[in-house]
Amino acid sequence: GAGVSQTPSNKVTEKGKYVELRCDPISGHTALYWYRQSLGQGPEFLIYFQGTGAADDSGLPNDRFFAVRPEGSVSTLKIQRTERGDSAVYLCASSRKASPEQFFGPGTRLTVL
Amino acid sequence: AQSVTQPDIHITVSEGASLELRCNYSYGATPYLFWYVQSPGQGLQLLLKYFSGDTLVQGIKGFEAEFKRSQSSFNLRKPSVHWSDAAEYFCAVYTGTASKLTFGTGTRLQVTL
Repeated sequence: GAGVSQTPSNKVTEKGKYVELRCDPISGHTALYWYRQSLGQGPEFLIYFQGTGAADDSGLPNDRFFAVRPEGSVSTLKIQRTERGDSAVYLCASSRKASPEQFFGPGTRLTVL
Repeated sequence: AQSVTQPDIHITVSEGASLELRCNYSYGATPYLFWYVQSPGQGLQLLLKYFSGDTLVQGIKGFEAEFKRSQSSFNLRKPSVHWSDAAEYFCAVYTGTASKLTFGTGTRLQVTL
């Protein structure tokens, strides 16, 4: 079956612009996670959805970052007023409800000029 | 809060040689433990996982890992490395209370022919 997909694969934007990153989880997976991977680092947790609601958003770095999952499937990570420090690979993962095993997408590489 | 330490940033081995990548975690109880591999420009692929039971777990691509509670370690091993194993390897822990993965900073494996 299809895995987790993310679009776009690459996004280049200018400082101060708004960006949206999309994640399509594996069908039937109710849990969805966003992680950010900076150069030379391991992925860092941003936010976790169980169904439509954000169960844990403690990893979002500031209020410029926001994520939604309105129908409990596709999720969009939104970044306002982008800064050069936001440049990273943004990874999405999904899992069955409350399962620790997460399946990752290929990521979106965001570059803020 | 849980944490993961991968003390080796970069390891070089010859093709056919054995490999051991180190991982130590900090957590009050036994967490769920994972090893992921990431090739350049790719997402994270699960190599193996430990939830409970036998402390020696087998994974894909000939990898295995051993959980040692007394040392809070979960080291990854492979008896004979192939050139295609060159990649970045991440150890991760999952705790039910946090419902997220916490990753180490990764170990970059280089394989010489």
